[in-house]
Amino acid sequence: GQQVMQIPQYQHVQEGEDFTTYCNSSTTLSNIQWYKQRPGGHPVFLIQLVKSGEVKKQKRLTFQFGEAKKNSSLHITATQTTDVGTYFCAAPRLNTDKLIFGTGTRLQVFP
Amino acid sequence: DGGITQSPKYLFRKEGQNVTLSCEQNLNHDAMYWYRQDPGQGLRLIYYSQIVNDFQKGDIAEGYSVSREKKESFPLTVTSAQKNPTAFYLCASSRDRTGKEKLFFGSGTQLSVL
Repeated sequence: GQQVMQIPQYQHVQEGEDFTTYCNSSTTLSNIQWYKQRPGGHPVFLIQLVKSGEVKKQKRLTFQFGEAKKNSSLHITATQTTDVGTYFCAAPRLNTDKLIFGTGTRLQVFP
Repeated sequence: DGGITQSPKYLFRKEGQNVTLSCEQNLNHDAMYWYRQDPGQGLRLIYYSQIVNDFQKGDIAEGYSVSREKKESFPLTVTSAQKNPTAFYLCASSRDRTGKEKLFFGSGTQLSVL
């Protein structure tokens, strides 16, 4: 069935370095959402992308949706210790309204 | 404050026992969901409900049951048929069921087997 794969699974960076996580689907997505889960916490919605090639920014975070709407990325510029957590992408399963989540990328930032 | 409340925060289950996890929302959302999260893994959909008195199975519904008698409430029962119940359970809601609305999550329940 349709899967949403995320890479990498883990990323350790020094504070101030950049970070990118990628989300890939075998099928075209109608939209994609990104969530952040702090250690011991629950996922919190960050953003939704809908249009082909869409780019959105939130301060140091840049979100992109691929031209073919099969992949997406989240880029963090100059990471801070507050960026620590697991980042998930999520998208509706093909022809359904069920939201399926990627496997997540766990980010660790060393001061 | 508007939001989703899950209880309890921690729950222990004995062999052969059914346990029920509570989820209440005051956001007036139509759709509610239960996800299971295992360590280091993503979220897997157990059940979801789009409207009162109606619900559908997700990807891993076996060993679980739900009810939606009120718009605000969507309790999840982990039955004795679920042989590996230890996990972090997250309840969520969204304004509607289109898959284009963002999810609001509760703080989760950690279920462990004694």
